[in-house]
Amino acid sequence: DAGVTQSPTHLIKTRGQQVTLRCSPISGHKSVSWYQQVLGQGPQFIFQYYEKEERGRGNFPDRFSARQFPNYSSELNVNALLLGDSALYLCASSTTLRGLGETQYFGPGTRLLVL
Amino acid sequence: AQSVSQHNHHVILSEAASLELGCNYSYGGTVNLFWYVQYPGQHLQLLLKYFSGDPLVKGIKGFEAEFIKSKFSFNLRKPSVQWSDTAEYFCAVNAWAGNMLTFGGGTRLMVKP
Repeated sequence: DAGVTQSPTHLIKTRGQQVTLRCSPISGHKSVSWYQQVLGQGPQFIFQYYEKEERGRGNFPDRFSARQFPNYSSELNVNALLLGDSALYLCASSTTLRGLGETQYFGPGTRLLVL
Repeated sequence: AQSVSQHNHHVILSEAASLELGCNYSYGGTVNLFWYVQYPGQHLQLLLKYFSGDPLVKGIKGFEAEFIKSKFSFNLRKPSVQWSDTAEYFCAVNAWAGNMLTFGGGTRLMVKP
């Protein structure tokens, strides 16, 4: 079975621009989460979606938004890009939103560079 | 808010040496604990996990971890490392409904052949 897939793999943008990142979960998984991994740090939680609804949000500004589609794929949008948004953006999927007892599986990430 | 600390940021070992990476978390309730590994150029992969039961958990590639509730710790161990274990290791905790993961800062392991 295919794992979590993300596109694009790399992206270069300039300050002030907007970016859309895409994620397809593992087949049968209904929950998608987004994480930001800045170089040298551990991933930080941005959003979680389940059944097309936002179920959790991390401490990120409103410039960050996301959505989940009926096929459970997801998009992460970042507006008005800042240099500090340069990072690896990870998507993770899990079967449900059961909370404790679930395992998240990660995709390869999209590396965003903001110049 | 929950937090996760990994005290060793960089570890350098020779092949066949034993490994122990520390992980401490701050949350007093029920937790799920994970170790993920990121090999160079690859994505985060699950190494092992603890949900409940036996606090000694065995994972892939000979890794194991022990959950010590009284110490809020979940240290990763391997009796004999190989060059192929060179990677970055992340400890993560899920303490809330909705399975949001909180990660530690990571430990970069280099194994010298």
